[in-house]
Amino acid sequence: DAGITQSPRYKITETGRQVTLMCHQTWSHSYMFWYRQDLGHGLRLIYYSAAADITDKGEVPDGYVVSRSKTENFPLTLESATRSQTSVYFCASGAGVNYGYTFGSGTRLTVV
Amino acid sequence: GIQVEQSPPDLILQEGANSTLRCNFSDSVNNLQWFHQNPWGQLINLFYIPSGTKQNGRLSATTVATERYSLLYISSSQTTDSGVYFCAVGGSGNTPLVFGKGTRLSVIA
Repeated sequence: DAGITQSPRYKITETGRQVTLMCHQTWSHSYMFWYRQDLGHGLRLIYYSAAADITDKGEVPDGYVVSRSKTENFPLTLESATRSQTSVYFCASGAGVNYGYTFGSGTRLTVV
Repeated sequence: GIQVEQSPPDLILQEGANSTLRCNFSDSVNNLQWFHQNPWGQLINLFYIPSGTKQNGRLSATTVATERYSLLYISSSQTTDSGVYFCAVGGSGNTPLVFGKGTRLSVIA
């Protein structure tokens, strides 16, 4: 199916565990983004990528790692999950940083 | 970095009413988008509008970049318009979108 898909939709993990959130897009968009959404903070940028093997930090990158070996995939890894990383995570893609963005359906992550 | 302020934070409308949502930003922009987050959490891109005016059905948007604001108009509102409306801007340094905190709209029948 064409579009942008995130997996899993829901995830519960324990403090200290490593967890990876997946994002896949079928448009060959060069740019991909990870945002987190928290009550009172709106959406904040974690990391973004301009192309395969090019990534850059956003506003709240601490505790997260990203990679982009293929244009279509942009996984986000929490190396050692903390309760403060409980959030809804959205992946987005766009043909450029100044083009329209399309968002995935989100992953609701709970760290217990 | 660039600051984005949206108003009002909350809005309750009777079905059929019109509304105007405002987005102010602190610096010049290369990118401005309006999104609707529906009650199921999905983010839908409504408009890509760094300048000018666009219309899509009952929704229209205007951005006056020189005065650093954008407006989203919703006419003849329907209950399906409920949700949170976000304005997001990208600054002149070709940086990714920064989101405002949103306007929560509730349309009641």
